[in-house]
Amino acid sequence: GAGVSQSPSNKVTEKGKDVELRCDPISGHTALYWYRQSLGQGLEFLIYFQGNSAPDKSGLPSDRFSAERTGGSVSTLTIQRTQQEDSAVYLCASSLGANDFNEQFFGPGTRLTVL
Amino acid sequence: GNSVTQMEGPVTLSEEAFLTINCTYTATGYPSLFWYVQYPGEGLQLLLKATKADDKGSNKGFEATYRKETTSFHLEKGSVQVSDSAVYFCALSGGGTSYGKLTFGQGTILTVHP
Repeated sequence: GAGVSQSPSNKVTEKGKDVELRCDPISGHTALYWYRQSLGQGLEFLIYFQGNSAPDKSGLPSDRFSAERTGGSVSTLTIQRTQQEDSAVYLCASSLGANDFNEQFFGPGTRLTVL
Repeated sequence: GNSVTQMEGPVTLSEEAFLTINCTYTATGYPSLFWYVQYPGEGLQLLLKATKADDKGSNKGFEATYRKETTSFHLEKGSVQVSDSAVYFCALSGGGTSYGKLTFGQGTILTVHP
């Protein structure tokens, strides 16, 4: 079956512009996570969604970052007024449920470059 | 808070050499421990996991044992192949209210030469 898909695969934007990154999780997976991979910070958690519960936004680095998940499936990560330090690979992952045991399946990522 | 520390890389080995990548962690409660791997040009994928103390995770010839007394989860392989060249990440998912969110180590680049 299909894995986690993300779009676009690459995004180049100018400082100050808004960007939207999309994640399509594996069908039937109720938990969805966003992570960021950058040279300076490594892999870091951003936000997670589980079913209809309120998302855990504890990893979002600033209020310029937001995310939503519509209909318990597709998720969009929005970065407003992008800054150069936002340049990174943004990874989405999904799993059968939000617990400590389930394998997370990762998408190929969106490489964001802010000029 | 939770944290994971991996041995510094990069690691360069000859084919058939023995591999160890050290990983230690700090966490509250009883975390689950994972090794994820990122092959060149591919996405992150689970290599192995252990969910309680003394469990051994294994896959593709790799092994790691969950050692609570030393808070470690070292990755080992007896004979590496060129195809094992990749970036390896140790990670944990903490107990309590972590809801599966992963805390990663900084990653170790492994290069295996023929």
